[in-house]
Amino acid sequence: EAQVTQNPRYLITVTGKKLTVTCSQNMNHEYMSWYRQDPGLGLRQIYYSMNVEVTDKGDVPEGYKVSRKEKRNFPLILESPSPNQTSLYFCASSLRGREAFFGQGTRLTVV
Amino acid sequence: AQSVAQPEDQVNVAEGNPLTVKCTYSVSGNPYLFWYVQYPNRGLQFLLKYITGDNLVKGSYGFEAEFNKSQTSFHLKKPSALVSDSALYFCAVRDGSTGGFKTIFGAGTRLFVKA
Repeated sequence: EAQVTQNPRYLITVTGKKLTVTCSQNMNHEYMSWYRQDPGLGLRQIYYSMNVEVTDKGDVPEGYKVSRKEKRNFPLILESPSPNQTSLYFCASSLRGREAFFGQGTRLTVV
Repeated sequence: AQSVAQPEDQVNVAEGNPLTVKCTYSVSGNPYLFWYVQYPNRGLQFLLKYITGDNLVKGSYGFEAEFNKSQTSFHLKKPSALVSDSALYFCAVRDGSTGGFKTIFGAGTRLFVKA
């Protein structure tokens, strides 16, 4: 089954404790991206990747890191999480010019 | 710069009536336009897209959208709403001229369909 898998689905952590949210896709898509969803703001792109070892900043990259060492994986790293990073996060993948497939989301709470 | 506006936070419609969810966009090059739907506690699901070709695009679950270049709009429509259509709808745009993957989403419109 074609899918984008994120883990974990729910995470509560404390300020400053490094965390990683994993994302994996099995569709051989070139493009992958991370978004955060906040009420009234829709989805905002954090980082995106056009292929292995090629990444670029989206609209809200501050406080986040990504890497694309393999085509299927695109982890999101929060080196020192803060409460304003409490949000719902989505990973997505697509072929060039095509619609995106989204993961189920990761609800992150930073206390 | 790309931008998307969904002017209505919420749309209410009675079951069986037609529905419209509005979207306007701004992009410097060729617009690639998308509609996605989000049900509670789920990720976004693709509904339909406009890349090129016919201005009227048909998608999943009976939804359609019309690309209007002069009005820079891409409104989502359905002739007869169902209660099960109640969800959060997002319009999104990419700049197709650059071949990039940077996608801008609107803030979303919550659709309520009353039985």
